[in-house]
Amino acid sequence: GESVGLHLPTLSVQEGDNSIINCAYSNSASDYFIWYKQESGKGPQFIIDIRSNMDKRQGQRVTVLLNKTVKHLSLQIAATQPGDSAVYFCAENRPGFQKLVFGTGTRLLVSP
Amino acid sequence: EAGVTQSPTHLIKTRGQQATLRCSPISGHTSVYWYQQALGLGLQFLLWYDEGEERNRGNFPPRFSGRQFPNYSSELNVNALELEDSALYLCASSFWQQENTEAFFGQGTRLTVV
Repeated sequence: GESVGLHLPTLSVQEGDNSIINCAYSNSASDYFIWYKQESGKGPQFIIDIRSNMDKRQGQRVTVLLNKTVKHLSLQIAATQPGDSAVYFCAENRPGFQKLVFGTGTRLLVSP
Repeated sequence: EAGVTQSPTHLIKTRGQQATLRCSPISGHTSVYWYQQALGLGLQFLLWYDEGEERNRGNFPPRFSGRQFPNYSSELNVNALELEDSALYLCASSFWQQENTEAFFGQGTRLTVV
């Protein structure tokens, strides 16, 4: 369903570690997925996207994995830096509804 | 190219008043989305406008309303404000006719109801 007002789960990592943020999406008909990063006091910013005909897509230090069988999306951040500290949201494109439905988000805290 | 702009950046209202929030999409974008983000929480979908029409709305009471103008800018109106309406209101725009395109967000309007 739509994103719900749950308190954000938090992932704490050390600088230099790899981070994995997970997201479960709800609609098997969704065909496009996006990861957004939201820093404190700012609007969400696009990180990386993936279409449903792909299983993996890589960007600079980030990789998105899509498992359509279990409706699961993950964002991997390599060599996490303090500047990566933010809230990360996954979003799915649900045809016929509104364009983007957001997950509840995960707060990433990176310690030096 | 200018991004999505929202105004005002901060707004303080008293309970029972009305608030009007404004959004200008990226040039060429026809769709505008409004989301509510309470402090520390996720994004709650409010409204979606495209080509001047409301295409969908989330699970919010009717006192949350809006409109989209011919130039694709949009207003969000919240009537009879309640304390729980205090939140960051985010506007995003996209070109809906282009399939599978990301939405670009503004910086938000921080609404505080006292």
